[in-house]
Amino acid sequence: SYELTQPSSVSVSPGQTARIICSGDVLAKKYARWFQQKPGQAPVLVNYKDSERPSGIPERFSGSSSGTTVTLTISGAQVEDEADYYCYSATDNNLGVFGGGTKLTVL
Amino acid sequence: EVQLVESGGGLVQPGGSLRLSCAASGFTFSNFAMSWVRQAPGKGLEWVSAISDSGTITYYGDSVKGRFTISRDNSKSTLYLQVNSLSAEDTAVYYCVKEPADYWGQGTLVTVSS
Repeated sequence: SYELTQPSSVSVSPGQTARIICSGDVLAKKYARWFQQKPGQAPVLVNYKDSERPSGIPERFSGSSSGTTVTLTISGAQVEDEADYYCYSATDNNLGVFGGGTKLTVL
Repeated sequence: EVQLVESGGGLVQPGGSLRLSCAASGFTFSNFAMSWVRQAPGKGLEWVSAISDSGTITYYGDSVKGRFTISRDNSKSTLYLQVNSLSAEDTAVYYCVKEPADYWGQGTLVTVSS
């Protein structure tokens, strides 16, 4: 299927590890990207090709992949990491698809 | 510094049309594919359309296929999205995105309402 499924919310305390999982059949064949979006702002790429981190993104953001699932891990989550997170991938015919988004609460 | 500046949004009646533009600077525009992504108020991100670096290959999401047309003018470093037959479901902030999604514009709001 061309759907990507994420939990609607994840909550952790500051300093804990937050894990956001995204699942979908397309992930078995295609790379995933992760985006962070804070209120009123455009999304920011925080992970690509399943596990690569763009320059300027803190090392606490990491990605991994296994079969039809990808995971964004935030090790030692900070209050400033509170945001919506979206996974993304592309189908065989190059159509983009986003997950429904996960609201991360850090408190 | 990479900059993507969208324009052309606004209030339009159902069935109406708009042409969204995205002026790019700070990189060699003709070397990169570009995309449009939208976000309805209070909702998640939705991929809309993409275009190859040369402009010869285009892709569309099912919800906009046949109504929206993506294009680009590499001589002007500008990306376009012609949006036709608009309905309330098209109300959203439309973002211009440089592939591989490493830079996004701030978006332009399209509101479809009578």
